[in-house]
Amino acid sequence: EAGVTQFPSHSVIEKGQTVTLRCDPISGHDNLYWYRRVMGKEIKFLLHFVKESKQDESGMPNNRFLAERTGGTYSTLKVQPAELEDSGVYFCASSSILAGGPHEQFFGPGTRLTVL
Amino acid sequence: GNSVTQMEGPVTLSEEAFLTINCTYTATGYPSLFWYVQYPGEGLQLLLKATKADDKGSNKGFEATYRKETTSFHLEKGSVQVSDSAVYFCALWRNTGKLIFGQGTTLQVKP
Repeated sequence: EAGVTQFPSHSVIEKGQTVTLRCDPISGHDNLYWYRRVMGKEIKFLLHFVKESKQDESGMPNNRFLAERTGGTYSTLKVQPAELEDSGVYFCASSSILAGGPHEQFFGPGTRLTVL
Repeated sequence: GNSVTQMEGPVTLSEEAFLTINCTYTATGYPSLFWYVQYPGEGLQLLLKATKADDKGSNKGFEATYRKETTSFHLEKGSVQVSDSAVYFCALWRNTGKLIFGQGTTLQVKP
């Protein structure tokens, strides 16, 4: 069974540009999460989807960030316009009540975003 | 609010040395506790977990015991290997969906 995949693995953009990150969760996982680690600090929660609905978006830093999960499968996280402080590693995770429970989250390899 | 505090790194050890990475938490009620590991160039992997007080999680020679009285979940390994070099994250889950992570501890094991 394939794990969580993320694309791209790296992205380097200039301040003011737009970037879209993609996450494909494990097939059948209803829960999808986005997290971010900035500059060697803690990994911080961004938001949580249950199927296509946003369950919790309390961690989204501001309205330059837009997450979608159309059809309840893959998810995208768009940053528009990007700022220098958005640089970091963006992780996606998924979980299922039927596979370990909602707390056992399976993580992707992350997307390293660098904003110049 | 809920939070996790880990010892600051980096931690540098010689092969076969004993490892302890401290982790303490603040949470209401009874959270589930986790250690995740990120090997160089890879994503986060669940290393071990404990879901109630006094539980001991173990995997790949690593252990951690859920201590409610000290609100701690310290990671230990009796004899580290070069291949254990990675970043280790302590985390808690408290029925809110999201995991709350510590800042991560980088471990470097030298031959």
